[in-house]
Amino acid sequence: DTAVSQTPKYLVTQMGNDKSIKCEQNLGHDTMYWYKQDSKKFLKIMFSYNNKELIINETVPNRFSPKSPDKAHLNLHINSLELGDSAVYFCASSPTTSGRKYFGPGTRLTVL
Amino acid sequence: AQSVTQLGSHVSVSEGALVLLRCNYSSSVPPYLFWYVQYPNQGLQLLLKYTTGATLVKGINGFEAEFKKSETSFHLTKPSAHMSDAAEYFCAVSGQDGGTSYGKLTFGQGTILTVHP
Repeated sequence: DTAVSQTPKYLVTQMGNDKSIKCEQNLGHDTMYWYKQDSKKFLKIMFSYNNKELIINETVPNRFSPKSPDKAHLNLHINSLELGDSAVYFCASSPTTSGRKYFGPGTRLTVL
Repeated sequence: AQSVTQLGSHVSVSEGALVLLRCNYSSSVPPYLFWYVQYPNQGLQLLLKYTTGATLVKGINGFEAEFKKSETSFHLTKPSAHMSDAAEYFCAVSGQDGGTSYGKLTFGQGTILTVHP
């Protein structure tokens, strides 16, 4: 069973488009995250939700909007995609706001 | 504020040789420290973590790391490399306190480990 899954795994799109990446965890965790891995391999946190409430919101353009319909899902919607948005996006979850994080396989977004 | 520096973006060893991946951190609060491994086309998998207590931490696949506060280091080692260890390794830090760094991982740039036959 996949603990943290992301769809799609690969996403190629044009500048200006709006796209969503979905994340689901079946671990019963309370906290979920979105990380961005840029071309230099840095993984930076973007958002964190605990029990469907936003608890971490780093300096991210407001074109990025997370949505948590329930504790098991944290989706990332991106409006007006730009070239600089090209990266690998990782979803993760953890039982609480601290401790071990379980990562999804990543979604490679390429903006042309 | 926290940061992580991994010395060496690429490390190459022979099969059976010692693996040493270096990680130094800075943190304004007592840290939790982590090593993650990323195999090709997979997500990040936790190798080991230091929270409190014993400073020598053992993880999966024969890896271990030692927290040295005086050196602000958390280097990852394995006595004998195996071909299957070839992957990318990330060191990460988060804060122990209840402040803004609590539960929030800051990652290093990663080190690609290559194992030669």
